[in-house]
Amino acid sequence: KAGVTQTPRYLIKTRGQQVTLSCSPISGHRSVSWYQQTPGQGLQFLFEYFSETQRNKGNFPGRFSGRQFSNSRSEMNVSTLELGDSALYLCASSSTGQDVNYGYTFGSGTRLTVV
Amino acid sequence: DQQVKQNSPSLSVQEGRISILNCDYTNSMFDYFLWYKKYPAEGPTFLISISSIKDKNEDGRFTVFLNKSAKHLSLHIVPSQPGDSAVYFCAAPGGRPLKGHTGANSKLTFGKGITLSVRP
Repeated sequence: KAGVTQTPRYLIKTRGQQVTLSCSPISGHRSVSWYQQTPGQGLQFLFEYFSETQRNKGNFPGRFSGRQFSNSRSEMNVSTLELGDSALYLCASSSTGQDVNYGYTFGSGTRLTVV
Repeated sequence: DQQVKQNSPSLSVQEGRISILNCDYTNSMFDYFLWYKKYPAEGPTFLISISSIKDKNEDGRFTVFLNKSAKHLSLHIVPSQPGDSAVYFCAAPGGRPLKGHTGANSKLTFGKGITLSVRP
């Protein structure tokens, strides 16, 4: 059973640009969540998608957005990149999003560097 | 407002000894707690969880203890092995979903992590 796949693994962008990251969840999983990991703030929840709808949202500015497709694959987009957006972006999938008590499965992440 | 706190950023122990990783929380509404382990360049891996109605959960070398009155939990690793060297995150599910949606548990609130080093 394939795990959670995130692409690309590494990305370098210039301040002001926009970026799109992709996440393919485990087959059959319908919930996809996104997290940002930085040295200073740790892991912070961005948003969760279930059945193509955003169901839960963290405290990030509107520059951070996402979507989910009918095959449960998800993308997140960051517009007008700032230096502080440099981080490891992690995607996690679960069957329903209600089974989080048994642990999400995370991908290896996309390392975004903004210069 | 940091609802899940891991106040010690690092811990170093000798192989074979016990590792005790601590976590405190402020939100008494949390009803489950999870521990994740993370190696560099990899995503976090689920390790063990505990329900708030229990005070202990054990899985092999890993045991999590919960003290609800103190809002404190700890992860014990016995015996510690060099391969346990990683960053350990404490996390709790819960969060207000967007209006009209269920999914309160779909958000995990993480602590900032503890870097465990197990010396051979």
